[in-house]
Amino acid sequence: AQSVSQHNHHVILSEAASLELGCNYSYGGTVNLFWYVQYPGQHLQLLLKYFSGDPLVKGIKGFEAEFIKSKFSFNLRKPSVQWSDTAEYFCAVNSGGYQKVTFGTGTKLQVIP
Amino acid sequence: DAGVIQSPRHEVTEMGQEVTLRCKLISGHNSLFWYRQTMMRGLELLIYFNNNVPIDDSGMPEDRFSAKMPNASFSTLKIQPSEPRDSAVYFCASSLGDRGNPYNSPLHFGNGTRLTVT
Repeated sequence: AQSVSQHNHHVILSEAASLELGCNYSYGGTVNLFWYVQYPGQHLQLLLKYFSGDPLVKGIKGFEAEFIKSKFSFNLRKPSVQWSDTAEYFCAVNSGGYQKVTFGTGTKLQVIP
Repeated sequence: DAGVIQSPRHEVTEMGQEVTLRCKLISGHNSLFWYRQTMMRGLELLIYFNNNVPIDDSGMPEDRFSAKMPNASFSTLKIQPSEPRDSAVYFCASSLGDRGNPYNSPLHFGNGTRLTVT
């Protein structure tokens, strides 16, 4: 069964600091990987996705993520965060030709002005 | 594109009452997912449908929960009878896989229904 781990539950950063949120998945086959963001009081929105090709994926709002197959990881990064990035971030995976998407438990990011 | 539409936005009910949550998919999407979000458990998949057929309902907590897709664009999630531990935000999401890979389509979420059972 596929599963996703997000080890950072709550991250607090000052504006302009760099961000890296960890995501590890457990599945040995072909995977599709996603990062979603949930701003306070809103629904989840897609930030970026990886299906194949270049393992460095660029998303909206300056976010990027790198797929490292050997480490089963798909960490999210942003060089310089803004107060408006305060939100909860979810890593998600589907795999094995199976449409079910499994989400991690989420990481709450708080950016202090 | 109106996006995924859920109703109601908020529902407050007493224990033992029946609750029905509604979801309208994005036109043309062929998959529908119901998720439940709580502080303790995060985002849990309850059930998902593909082309109106339930594919995986292993996340449905117990027989009190049921979900239907009477047509390609609409779904309901029913809880009968409701209990305080059912209090959560329930999200509906839809997707459409492309021809090359029907499984790589991202999910489009509705705004959720915040359910409070007292």
